[in-house]
Amino acid sequence: GQNIDQPTEMTATEGAIVQINCTYQTSGFNGLFWYQQHAGEAPTFLSYNVLDGLEEKGRFSSFLSRSKGYSYLLLKELQMKDSASYLCAVYHSGYSTLTFGKGTMLLVSP
Amino acid sequence: DVKVTQSSRYLVKRTGEKVFLECVQDMDHENMFWYRQDPGLGLRLIYFSYDVKMKEKGDIPEGYSVSREKKERFSLILESASTNQTSMYLCAGRKGSHNEQFFGPGTRLTVL
Repeated sequence: GQNIDQPTEMTATEGAIVQINCTYQTSGFNGLFWYQQHAGEAPTFLSYNVLDGLEEKGRFSSFLSRSKGYSYLLLKELQMKDSASYLCAVYHSGYSTLTFGKGTMLLVSP
Repeated sequence: DVKVTQSSRYLVKRTGEKVFLECVQDMDHENMFWYRQDPGLGLRLIYFSYDVKMKEKGDIPEGYSVSREKKERFSLILESASTNQTSMYLCAGRKGSHNEQFFGPGTRLTVL
């Protein structure tokens, strides 16, 4: 079966750093995606990790440990516009489908 | 820019009606996907297609069917809508050489 866990909600202050964790237990793992979704909008791609380690892209970084079934998304210098839901998704080989976690709602306050 | 469009942003239908949700992509995506998104449950895969006239069941296909007669268009069909199908429906496309999925804006369907 597939099991993907991430916290339901997190709060942080503008200018701070926040880390959103994602743990997974799944078969056919072929990589891990992070998407951002603002209220009422479509999810948009943030990052994709296939190999272990840290991928940095501006204020956002994503980390993967395949042996531990663990990933995190790190957001630095938080801005109000970063208030959104962050979705962790496992990419499966074969039919190339994604299985999503339930999402983490991040609220950034002044 | 990649473009995935959905025919309606909001739709209200009655129980028992046949409902068509249309999705069109303009980037020659081979794979297309239909999800529904519900509070507390996240995004769940209903059906997907990896080529014209091909379809595969996702995690929650019951009560739904799909049609892909042309590469750019993927339709989700609710044969007889029920109130538990009230949800946000999201379509996505993916090109074979890339792993990222691009999402449409979503259709919020209410079944009364």
